[in-house]
Amino acid sequence: AQSVTQLDSQVPVFEEAPVELRCNYSSSVSVYLFWYVQYPNQGLQLLLKYLSGSTLVKGINGFEAEFNKSQTSFHWRKPSVYISDTAEYFCAVTESGAGSYQLTFGKGTKLSVIP
Amino acid sequence: SQTIHQWPATLVQPVGSPLSLECTVEGTSNPNLYWYRQAAGRGLQLLFYSVGIGQISSEVPQNLSASRPQDRQFILSSKKLLLSDSGFYLCAWSNRDSYEQYFGPGTRLTVT
Repeated sequence: AQSVTQLDSQVPVFEEAPVELRCNYSSSVSVYLFWYVQYPNQGLQLLLKYLSGSTLVKGINGFEAEFNKSQTSFHWRKPSVYISDTAEYFCAVTESGAGSYQLTFGKGTKLSVIP
Repeated sequence: SQTIHQWPATLVQPVGSPLSLECTVEGTSNPNLYWYRQAAGRGLQLLFYSVGIGQISSEVPQNLSASRPQDRQFILSSKKLLLSDSGFYLCAWSNRDSYEQYFGPGTRLTVT
C-alpha cells in the first residue's frame, strides 16, 4: 500500500522569498501524484498533478512540482511567495492501474507567509 | 461546468443524536464519490467511496454509514453521534477512470 510523508508540518517564510514544500511517497509500483491547497474552512483545490510525461509540472501562478522517481519525491516549489499563498498544502498519491481511484493524502504542510 | 455542494456548512449536535450530511454534484454523470474526514494535524481520512448507485465501500470501521440513493447524491449518516465524530467532513467526486478528485466546501461538525 502507498503512503505519503510531508516532513514539514509548518513552514514560515517571508513574503517574496522562495519556498519548497517537501513530499515523499512510498509505493512498490508506479504512482500518480497530486498537490492540493486548502484555505481556512474551505475544501481542497487541485493545484498540480503528475500522471506521466515531463517530471516537472507547472501550475498557473508560478509554482511547480518535480517528480523524482529515484528519490520517491514530489516537492512543490514557488520562487516568490505572497500573503495570498498562506494556506495548508497537501500531497497525495495513488498507484497507477490500481483501479480503485483512491488517493492517499499526507498530513499537510501549513505555509505561513510573513509580511 | 461541474460543481459540488455540501450542506449544512456547519453543524453542532449533541452526543447520541443522529446525523445526516448531504453532498450533490452537478454537471457530470456517473461520478465516483468520496467522503473524507479531516481532523486537525491528521490529514484526510477516506471514510467511504462509491462507484455507482447503491455501491458503497467502507474504508474505516466506525460509527458512520453512507448511502448513494441517486447518481449524483451522496449521504453520510450516523444513528448516534460520538464526541470523536467531530471534524471537518469533505465530499469529493471524480470522473470514472480518472484519478483527479474535486472537493466540496466541507461541513464542520461539532459534537458536544
